[in-house]
Amino acid sequence: GIQVEQSPPDLILQEGANSTLRCNFSDSVNNLQWFHQNPWGQLINLFYIPSGTKQNGRLSATTVATERYSLLYISSSQTTDSGVYFCAVPGGAGANSKLTFGKGITLSVRP
Amino acid sequence: DVKVTQSSRYLVKRTGEKVFLECVQDMDHENMFWYRQDPGLGLRLIYFSYDVKMKEKGDIPEGYSVSREKKERFSLILESASTNQTSMYLCASRVMGGGFPEAFFGQGTRLTVV
Repeated sequence: GIQVEQSPPDLILQEGANSTLRCNFSDSVNNLQWFHQNPWGQLINLFYIPSGTKQNGRLSATTVATERYSLLYISSSQTTDSGVYFCAVPGGAGANSKLTFGKGITLSVRP
Repeated sequence: DVKVTQSSRYLVKRTGEKVFLECVQDMDHENMFWYRQDPGLGLRLIYFSYDVKMKEKGDIPEGYSVSREKKERFSLILESASTNQTSMYLCASRVMGGGFPEAFFGQGTRLTVV
């Protein structure tokens, strides 16, 4: 099945710094999602992005499907950005394909 | 807004008990999923359902079963809970369709088996 790798596994930032989180996948995909897991465990949808670039406030994401990667940019980081960031891609081509996740990137933003 | 609700946020059960984790979504989604999350292992798929009474095993179905009698509800059942099933359980749903529609998650259930 498709493999998803995220890097770096852990990231520590000072508040106000910028960061780039990476997601590589082993096969072509027709979509990709980025999630943020908050301290209570819930996965919050950040981006739904098959290709191109999207922006939402201080966060933006770029997916280059032909090169099999996606990047999540966090600018002017805040302590509330702390948590685990996951990317997920379809596990297959069918309409009922499952989500396959990377192992996540743990971000800690220090005040 | 899509809402996916899991019945409990925290649950403590004894070894050998039969445990039910419930998940309800309010958007008429066909597909529903159960994942477990463990440190260092990420999210692993236990079961998914693509319609009422339809189910497929995921990557780690052993020790679990599921039930989908109504479209909005997907239950995960631990037939005889064991300590190695202590984990975070996450339910998700999405509409069926090509192009991989967006998935939405519930708040998670932290299950401890003692």
